[in-house]
Amino acid sequence: DQQVKQNSPSLSVQEGRISILNCDYTNSMFDYFLWYKKYPAEGPTFLISISSIKDKNEDGRFTVFLNKSAKHLSLHIVPSQPGDSAVYFCAASFNKFYFGSGTKLNVKP
Amino acid sequence: EAGVAQSPRYKIIEKRQSVAFWCNPISGHATLYWYQQILGQGPKLLIQFQNNGVVDDSQLPKDRFSAERLKGVDSTLKIQPAKLEDSAVYLCASSPPSRPNEKLFFGSGTQLSVL
Repeated sequence: DQQVKQNSPSLSVQEGRISILNCDYTNSMFDYFLWYKKYPAEGPTFLISISSIKDKNEDGRFTVFLNKSAKHLSLHIVPSQPGDSAVYFCAASFNKFYFGSGTKLNVKP
Repeated sequence: EAGVAQSPRYKIIEKRQSVAFWCNPISGHATLYWYQQILGQGPKLLIQFQNNGVVDDSQLPKDRFSAERLKGVDSTLKIQPAKLEDSAVYLCASSPPSRPNEKLFFGSGTQLSVL
């Protein structure tokens, strides 16, 4: 029962352009949505979150958009930098956290 | 502020051996989680503690996995006996008491290889 899905296993973007990572969920009871970044051999690092009562949250180059009617959220990175190359996980929480399978982002110089 | 501490970073064992992982959460974080992350997948919750009580262990293979958090601070996760399919990264995480659903902090993980 996968309640959070990331359907794109990988994404390749040119440096300076926008990266858009997508995530879908099924449970309308989720109250927070989060994005994590993971480098090899390290634990996931928290990036940005959004409450279910909001539709947008911005932090520097990172913006998360939430579309509750579509049960969809996305992470926008503008401008993308080579150091952003990592695996990105979306997560949703309601009493506990549910994670997607990740999208590997490659930002080409 | 110190992060979530985990040890060891790497462990290689043979199948049927036992192994233990240790975690010390961020100071003051009452909720502690153990996740298993298999390559190419997202973290899967094994067990969730609130202080020293178990909140959720529905996904923990109890015939071989055990976990404890005796004093409500650090925790150990044990596998006995290990199987090949237990090869994964074991992540410990904790969340702050005021916003337990809003943010989760991870340790660096223990990469386990079962040969």
